[in-house]
Formats: sequence, C-alpha cells, structure tokens
Amino acid sequence: AQKVTQAQTEISVVEKEDVTLDCVYETRDTTYYLFWYKQPPSGELVFLIRRNSFDEQNEISGRYSWNFQKSTSSFNFTITASQVVDSAVYFCALSERNRDDKIIFGKGTRLHILP
Amino acid sequence: GAGVSQTPSNKVTEKGKYVELRCDPISGHTALYWYRQSLGQGPEFLIYFQGTGAADDSGLPNDRFFAVRPEGSVSTLKIQRTERGDSAVYLCASSLKLAGAPEQFFGPGTRLTVL
Repeated sequence: AQKVTQAQTEISVVEKEDVTLDCVYETRDTTYYLFWYKQPPSGELVFLIRRNSFDEQNEISGRYSWNFQKSTSSFNFTITASQVVDSAVYFCALSERNRDDKIIFGKGTRLHILP
Repeated sequence: GAGVSQTPSNKVTEKGKYVELRCDPISGHTALYWYRQSLGQGPEFLIYFQGTGAADDSGLPNDRFFAVRPEGSVSTLKIQRTERGDSAVYLCASSLKLAGAPEQFFGPGTRLTVL
C-alpha cells in the first residue's frame, strides 16, 4: 500500500530559526517519486520539489533543503533562517511509476513563523 | 502564460442538487487530474485524464461523481444528488505527459458547500 505520513500536524517557530518538516512514506514500488508542495493561505498548491527514487542526493535551493533517505523511507524538508512568508501548510507526496502519476498526499504540516 | 483556472471559485448548493465544476488546464497540457481536499486534510486523488479518456477513475467515491473531458482540454466534474459530505475544495491539476511523474500545476480550486 502507498502511504505518506507527516507526523507533525502543526509547528510554530520564531522568525530566523531553522525548521525541519518530517515525511515518511510507504510504497512497494521500486520506482517512485516524492514531492513537496506548499499551500499558502491563498489556497493554491505550489510545487517545491520532485525527487525520483534513484536519486538520493540531497538538494538545496536557497533557504530550502531536502534530505532523502531510502533506508528510513524519509524525505525531510528543512527551511533555514525561516521568514514569515514561509507560513503555510506543507504537503509531502508520493507518486508511483505504475500508477499513472496520481499523487498521494500526506495530511500536511501547518507551519507558523512568528515575527 | 495563464495557469490552471477553475470555475466557480465558490459554489453553495442544497443537499440533493446537481453541480458542475469546471477546469481549464494550461494550454498544451495533455494530462488532467481532479483531487478533493477536505478541511485539514491533504488533497485526495479522484480521476486522471490523458487526452479525452479517463485513464484512472479509481478515486471517485461513488457513482454520483462523474467527469468528462470531451475535447481533451476543458474538464467538468459532475456531482449528482449532492450530500453534505461532498463539501470540500475540489482541485484540478494539469501536466505535460512525460516520463517520470511530471510536475502537476494546480488551480485555485472550487470550494463546494452542500447545505
């Protein structure tokens, strides 16, 4: 069965602190893709990153970084030097090669960055 | 260029009524997806179109839900005999159908409220 678990329902940090959002996934497929999406208060989902299962290199994009570890089935997301504009709900998601790209989302982590 | 658009942005209806929700994908995108997002949850897959045909409708909850994409562009999600439990935000996404789970671009959603 395919499943995405985001154990942290809600996190609050003070601006400029670093914060890590956890994501654990389950899949029986050997080829799959992992995603992070941001949903700001406006409601529109914004794509942040896609990773395929064969590429375990960590990725950094500005203040964002992602740590993919197949051994623990985790794909964690870190925001460095957080800003108020980072406040949003963040979704981790999974897509399996043989399932026509439909995305299975976690329940999301609501992140509050306090000024 | 224009992103995915959805109309109406809000729809309030009474239990038992019929509703149609429209999605205009990004021009040239061959794949189109419908998801449903209930309050406090991640988006949940409903149906996927490749061109005019529904390639995977396994997420439709029951036969009151139906979707069409007659010309391979605009899609309409139709809900018959609406129930209060159908209240949610209905999201549409589109993508180029390429190998490797391409990025899906999401629309702003239609918030459906069934009274």
